[in-house]
Amino acid sequence: QVHLVQSAAEVKKPGASVTVSCKTSGYTFTSHGITWVRQAPGQGLEYMGWINPYNSNPKYAQKFQARVIMTTDTSTSTAHLELRSLRSDDTAVYFCARFLTLAAADYWGQGTLVTVSS
Amino acid sequence: QSALTQPPSASGSPGQSVTISCTGTSSDVGGYNYVSWYQQHPGKAPKLIIHEVNVRPSGVPDRFSGSKSGNTASLTVSGLQAEDEADYYCCSYAGSNNFVVFGGGTKVTVL
Repeated sequence: QVHLVQSAAEVKKPGASVTVSCKTSGYTFTSHGITWVRQAPGQGLEYMGWINPYNSNPKYAQKFQARVIMTTDTSTSTAHLELRSLRSDDTAVYFCARFLTLAAADYWGQGTLVTVSS
Repeated sequence: QSALTQPPSASGSPGQSVTISCTGTSSDVGGYNYVSWYQQHPGKAPKLIIHEVNVRPSGVPDRFSGSKSGNTASLTVSGLQAEDEADYYCCSYAGSNNFVVFGGGTKVTVL
């Protein structure tokens, strides 16, 4: 079975950076893109970008272009999301998901709550 | 402000049908047949229920159906059941620059 397991919740101070990990299993890691989506408390889904594990090529949403880095480690089938210069409005649950086709993610991680607070 | 426009809420009685609209532009919904729909229950990860406008993944009941006309996509839930009460999000491919855009979500209530 396909599984995406994310790292534990984080609490960070404004201005800091956070890295969220997404360990995959049950499929060929390089055959599907990984996307990152976040959800602020009580709000909707927000697309952050995606990365192709085959060539490690990321594509970031414009809003996050300056602050986000997405990477993959094919040796462990794990994707990572780093978000820098954190602000209070970055407080959200961050999800990783596997792309089935364009704009369709068929398997999701359980979500990682990142809280930004002084 | 979300790129795709959905009504904030919709409701129906058990057994009835409810249809949710998702309006975009010719640069996203109208330009590609890559519209997907997600169901999300409170505290859970989203679940893919429709992709490529009207394709149901394995295991998704055929009570869920999708369609598209011009710049507007729609999700219909027929024969509403209590477990269909959830938030629903549309999503569209938006080209190589923007790539993916979401709707703001629609809360479906089963009366």
